[in-house]
Amino acid sequence: DTVLTQSPALAVSPGERVSISCRASEGVNSYMHWYQQKPGQQPRLLIYKASNLASGVPARFSGSGSGTDFTLTIDPVEADDTATYFCQQSLNDWTFGGGTKLELK
Amino acid sequence: QVKLLQSGAALVKPGDSVKMSCKASGYTFTDYIIHWVKQSHGKSLEWIGFINPYSGGTNYNEQFKRKATLTVDKSSSTAYMEFSRLTSEDSAIYYCARWQQPYCFDYWGQGVMVTVSS
Repeated sequence: DTVLTQSPALAVSPGERVSISCRASEGVNSYMHWYQQKPGQQPRLLIYKASNLASGVPARFSGSGSGTDFTLTIDPVEADDTATYFCQQSLNDWTFGGGTKLELK
Repeated sequence: QVKLLQSGAALVKPGDSVKMSCKASGYTFTDYIIHWVKQSHGKSLEWIGFINPYSGGTNYNEQFKRKATLTVDKSSSTAYMEFSRLTSEDSAIYYCARWQQPYCFDYWGQGVMVTVSS
């Protein structure tokens, strides 16, 4: 299985820039996607194919990377961005990272 | 607009089975593969398997091969997942999601909470 590793939690102040990382145990080309999940809700697609913004997602969100290292950036962070963010790869079956919980100071 | 509407929460006894549904609307059901994903409490997401509504073809995560059975009813645009021989480890939220091939899951159902308890 392709294992995706994310840092468990981050805390930032509104208005700041935050980068959430995801490292794959093997190369996944650009088959990396990002989701946002708020408590009690289903995941919501933010970024697909590493850097493409999903429909309806604010331009404050962006993605980058290829191969094994990927980053989701939020700039600037707003209070509504409090959530858990998951990366997912779709090159070798489908696996998800453990999630990064974003909290606002 | 695209919607995936899942069935309600289930409370089941150990050893029993549960069958949950995922009704699609707002698009042609047979044009998109449906995946199923497990989320244990406070934890990450695990891919269970997928079904192609057009052909009925399935593919399962090895971990869930003897646990999950995926089916569809094209006439009602509904996908189903049956989970068998339930244990406490199966208590979780189960999501269906539409696959925007070959990449991401672009739409998700609201999830079904399954609780296994005697």
